[in-house]
Amino acid sequence: DAKTTQPPSMDCAEGRAANLPCNHSTISGNEYVYWYRQIHSQGPQYIIHGLKNNETNEMASLIITEDRKSSTLILPHATLRDTAVYYCIVRVRNRDDKIIFGKGTRLHILP
Amino acid sequence: ETGVTQSPTHLIKTRGQQVTLRCSSQSGHNTVSWYQQALGQGPQFIFQYYREEENGRGNFPPRFSGLQFPNYSSELNVNALELDDSALYLCASSSRLGLAADTQYFGPGTRLTVL
Repeated sequence: DAKTTQPPSMDCAEGRAANLPCNHSTISGNEYVYWYRQIHSQGPQYIIHGLKNNETNEMASLIITEDRKSSTLILPHATLRDTAVYYCIVRVRNRDDKIIFGKGTRLHILP
Repeated sequence: ETGVTQSPTHLIKTRGQQVTLRCSSQSGHNTVSWYQQALGQGPQFIFQYYREEENGRGNFPPRFSGLQFPNYSSELNVNALELDDSALYLCASSSRLGLAADTQYFGPGTRLTVL
């Protein structure tokens, strides 16, 4: 079973920041938080990952709480092309063979 | 640098037939993982190949089998197809050094329909 909990769906206005929450209250000290997204019928796209510190790349920012029990993925200026299912995943980066996907959050960007 | 590619894009088979799906890993990657994604569900791990050997398997029957070639490309074979095998089959490649496996990057998938 997935070790993360995400809201099933969210809406965000185009041009605004989209903040996607994820709870992972049982995360272990050596587990990373990964985010992928999947646009309809395409393969999942890697977005970002982190362990303890906040991370930022060209696609998004990842904010991890100090106790590591939850995190937020931030898309700073959402566009219609960001409409997708977003998966929050925890895994031991340098050991786990498999990714266990939950149901994810279906993000709708509204024009 | 080329990404992960999969072929074919779409495939239609009938019950009882056999199918082979192919995946070319991203440049520099030596590990391939396969996932099955039924409609409306998240992807489920089938198995992973590293150094041409199976390196971890999910809850799938033996009629799901695979191969990895010296160039790190991979095949997924499914025998005795059942209607429930209809799904999007995803391949992901990653770089592994010994026990250390890095981020997995996914291909576009193969849509298999079993009639």
